Amino acid sequence: DTEVTQTPKHLVMGMTNKKSLKCEQHMGHRAMYWYKQKAKKPPELMFVYSYEKLSINESVPSRFSPECPNSSLLNLHLHALQPEDSALYLCASSQRLPGHYSGNTIYFGEGSWLTVV
Amino acid sequence: QQPVQSPQAVILREGEDAVINCSSSKALYSVHWYRQKHGEAPIFLMILLKGGEQKGHDKISASFNEKKQQSSLYLTASQLSYSGTYFCGTAINTGTASKLTFGTGTRLQVTL
Repeated sequence: DTEVTQTPKHLVMGMTNKKSLKCEQHMGHRAMYWYKQKAKKPPELMFVYSYEKLSINESVPSRFSPECPNSSLLNLHLHALQPEDSALYLCASSQRLPGHYSGNTIYFGEGSWLTVV
Repeated sequence: QQPVQSPQAVILREGEDAVINCSSSKALYSVHWYRQKHGEAPIFLMILLKGGEQKGHDKISASFNEKKQQSSLYLTASQLSYSGTYFCGTAINTGTASKLTFGTGTRLQVTL
């Protein structure tokens, strides 16, 4: 069983709605991630948090807003999304950032399936 | 910067072997391998940190050729449970942080 918990598992939202995806881990990891995955494609990195601070934003549109309230929680706030934003959103965590020579394994949650109508 | 995997897809009969390759146009410092079944989270398989390193557990093993900037995943005597999409990942330093970038993926189907 994955130790990264994501809620909700499924979310349907209209283009004018505001919703949030939530992620929690209790492994003491200090790096947390949001990935987006479309069908038959690899996970695509969106945001990286290290020690609760945003370290990487992969030029994600502002309609996606990440938040890291504490070392165990990671949220992704959604507002005014487009139908093309429909995808599987994966949260992940690792002890530290992956680094070139480190053995920091990244653990993924089950994901939240998002449909924008 | 995304690693390229080959083949894109492969179908095996149970008990057959397969090799999945991961190549990068840039230097590879470490390689992470994951398997993802449809609708599920990617599951970590192994990390290779040094050129020449080889790892394995059960009947899945991997090698890392740092000079050639590539890694290979070996699946021997495949089982039905091996079906899924395999991704390699490479750690990339951005200057102030680092991130894991996934390869293009290889879909593996094992049949009876």
